[in-house]
Amino acid sequence: RKEVEQDPGPFNVPEGATVAFNCTYSNSASQSFFWYRQDCRKEPKLLMSVYSSGNEDGRFTAQLNRASQYISLLIRDSKLSDSATYLCVVNGAGNMLTFGGGTRLMVKP
Amino acid sequence: GAGVSQSPRYKVAKRGQDVALRCDPISGHVSLFWYQQALGQGPEFLTYFQNEAQLDKSGLPSDRFFAERPEGSVSTLKIQRTQQEDSAVYLCASSSLAGGPGEQYFGPGTRLTVT
Repeated sequence: RKEVEQDPGPFNVPEGATVAFNCTYSNSASQSFFWYRQDCRKEPKLLMSVYSSGNEDGRFTAQLNRASQYISLLIRDSKLSDSATYLCVVNGAGNMLTFGGGTRLMVKP
Repeated sequence: GAGVSQSPRYKVAKRGQDVALRCDPISGHVSLFWYQQALGQGPEFLTYFQNEAQLDKSGLPSDRFFAERPEGSVSTLKIQRTQQEDSAVYLCASSSLAGGPGEQYFGPGTRLTVT
């Protein structure tokens, strides 16, 4: 079983839709949580950190449920430019990041 | 300012050849990481340096993989006697001590194809 699991998708949604991605992690000692975005044939880039209290950045909302070891990302009012792969990322001891396999999002006009 | 750079961007190697992949981190970044990303998968951790010290090499898949960062800046990932299963994108990332654990800045990667 992988340490960080995500539905690979693809999620095909129309512009303006709201879409949610989920992720589960297996290491209960994990300390920090993030969503990264990766465009096709590009490097991953930090989208946002995820806090237990939930946090929002514009159209993006991230939530963490430590008891269920579950992380979510909600995107409201999807734009064509949101099309990418979204990587769920967990940090345990040290600075190593553990990535999920990614969820692919395709936003259509 | 300059981000993380990697060279070469693409490398084709015949099975059994040795390859060396270079990473230039963001100036002043203390931490440097190497990841391997297979097609359709997320990046997987290979090794981590803090300055010139290799603090974690638990992700290196075999003893054919070797990484160094002798002066605490540029790093080289070397793969000896390449095999087809080594074909992947090799990503380098750097971060400063001041940044949080998730704030890693990635380079564009080196796409290695072993034929």
